[in-house]
Amino acid sequence: NAGVTQTPKFRVLKTGQSMTLLCAQDMNHEYMYWYRQDPGMGLRLIHYSVGEGTTAKGEVPDGYNVSRLKKQNFLLGLESAAPSQTSVYFCASSKGLAGGDGAKNIQYFGAGTRLSVL
Amino acid sequence: AQSVTQPDIHITVSEGASLELRCNYSYGATPYLFWYVQSPGQGLQLLLKYFSGDTLVQGIKGFEAEFKRSQSSFNLRKPSVHWSDAAEYFCAVGQNSGGSNYKLTFGKGTLLTVNP
Repeated sequence: NAGVTQTPKFRVLKTGQSMTLLCAQDMNHEYMYWYRQDPGMGLRLIHYSVGEGTTAKGEVPDGYNVSRLKKQNFLLGLESAAPSQTSVYFCASSKGLAGGDGAKNIQYFGAGTRLSVL
Repeated sequence: AQSVTQPDIHITVSEGASLELRCNYSYGATPYLFWYVQSPGQGLQLLLKYFSGDTLVQGIKGFEAEFKRSQSSFNLRKPSVHWSDAAEYFCAVGQNSGGSNYKLTFGKGTLLTVNP
């Protein structure tokens, strides 16, 4: 069972470079999320999507863009990387409205992408 | 807006000792509550969840948590800790009705160290 797969696992960028992080889920989930995790800050929501073709801003969206062209994929883009974007990035997915009362809230996480911006 | 507080940033216990990790939430109605665990270098894994009904919920790896509405708490417990329980633990709250009920709010985590 693959679940949620993130690529790449590690990446080092120079300031100003761009990159795209890919998240893929094979659970037919409606909702997908991108978080960043920094020491002492917990998880902060960057962007999320409640369905194919839809995206919305989370708590810390500045400097990031996302796209959800296919239901199973959620891409996170950094157009011009900054050292402040050095972090561990996690993707998650959940069933969404189709999952019933509580189940829709259960989020399943990928293993993370560790990004360093020099 | 919902919020989650985990008062303990770091807890150290001896192997075999009991464990309680604290979680307090702020939410206007009965929330959905979750505990996740993150082992070093790994993603988050769901330990247990509370949606409704019995306020004492059982999870994986011998963990349990109790929802106390009067205290707005959802503390995680384990009677005897194993060295493999060393990890970071996150409490999370989600809305259970209408509106933007698809987002979870996470606490900042409690790092558990287990001494042999």
